[in-house]
Amino acid sequence: GAVVSQHPSWVICKSGTSVKIECRSLDFQATTMFWYRQFPKQSLMLMATSNEGSKATYEQGVEKDKFLINHASLTLSTLTVTSAHPEDSSFYICSARAGYDGELFFGEGSRLTVL
Amino acid sequence: QQQVKQSPQSLIVQKGGISIINCAYENTAFDYFPWYQQFPGKGPALLIAIRPDVSEKKEGRFTISFNKSAKQFSLHIMDSQPGDSATYFCAASHFGNEKLTFGTGTRLTIIP
Repeated sequence: GAVVSQHPSWVICKSGTSVKIECRSLDFQATTMFWYRQFPKQSLMLMATSNEGSKATYEQGVEKDKFLINHASLTLSTLTVTSAHPEDSSFYICSARAGYDGELFFGEGSRLTVL
Repeated sequence: QQQVKQSPQSLIVQKGGISIINCAYENTAFDYFPWYQQFPGKGPALLIAIRPDVSEKKEGRFTISFNKSAKQFSLHIMDSQPGDSATYFCAASHFGNEKLTFGTGTRLTIIP
């Protein structure tokens, strides 16, 4: 089946630094990708919808200047957590849909720890 | 209107038993109801999904039951196995919208 790959799978950074997380669709093209955040033992919360070639659409309460999303190609979307702080520590998961009515595939997630 | 309520929060089932997880939604525009399985430190994986034109869908040991009038759907895992121990999320979306609204999750533990 289709695979969505995230990199890095985990990252530790100092407070104030920026971290970039990549989401790639390995064997299909995805015009739309989604970014979720998941805190321990909690559900997935949609952060933003990433559209290839256009600006991302952010959910209410998500700071677009804090979480920069770039969807430069049909197989790659990136999430940059700018000036990260300990409260940004979380599990970030991307997903992509294979085709117009295809299954939504999730990446393996990226665990961010901000010290 | 976007909420999806899931219960129970945690569930312990003996090996070979039936695991049942329930979800209820409010938004009548939802027309796609998937269930995801998530292991610790991993992303969720699609288990089974249903659209409201059918009341039940079965794939192997997994069955979704859907009650459109009650706005409820449930996951049944037959002959539950230790390898089924994971967190299960129900979700819902409006076709074309693509944005999934997730339930709060159920931590399932299968004991020998």
